Amino acid sequence: DIKMTQSPSSMYASLGERVTITCKASQDINSYLSWFQQKPGKSPKTLIYRANRLVDGVPSRFSGSGSGQDYSLTISSLEYEDMGIYYCLQYDEFPRTFGGGTKLEIK
Amino acid sequence: QIQLVQSGPELKKPGETVKISCKASGYTFTNYGMNWVKQAPGKGLKWMGWINTYTGEPTYADDFKGRFAFSLETSASTAYLQINNLKNEDTATYFCARRNFAYWGQGTLVTVSA
Repeated sequence: DIKMTQSPSSMYASLGERVTITCKASQDINSYLSWFQQKPGKSPKTLIYRANRLVDGVPSRFSGSGSGQDYSLTISSLEYEDMGIYYCLQYDEFPRTFGGGTKLEIK
Repeated sequence: QIQLVQSGPELKKPGETVKISCKASGYTFTNYGMNWVKQAPGKGLKWMGWINTYTGEPTYADDFKGRFAFSLETSASTAYLQINNLKNEDTATYFCARRNFAYWGQGTLVTVSA
């Protein structure tokens, strides 16, 4: 199985700050990576797919990058509504595997 | 618009069976497979497997082989997750998510308690 190592597991950031979350796959996943945001009691919301493609309606302050084994999600200027837990997912191979999550809180 | 609407919360006893539904609308059901994802309380997301909505063939992740069953009612654009012989550790929110996880259901909380 492909292991997805996500970091950090939690972080505090200030409004307006640039935030980066990373995911490292245990093998090349050919950019088949998505990023999700989850708020308490809600289902995950897809932000990015295919490593760097922004889902329609997602604010442009979110961006994804990476290739091979290493990927990142960047929020260019943190807003209050960005609080939540972020997950990466690889869908290059079965079984699909998620990163452990990053809890993002506002300072 | 595309929607996945899941059935409501369930409270079950150990050893019982639960069947959760996921009704799709806004697209051709058989064109996109359906994933199932487990989230235990306070924990992360775990992929359970998926079902090919065209052929009906299910694929289960290793941890979900045996007591778990995916099925379809294609005429109703509905996917089902059945869990047999429920255990306390099955207490979780279960999500359906369309192929490639672009769309998710709202989740169904299953609580297993004596």
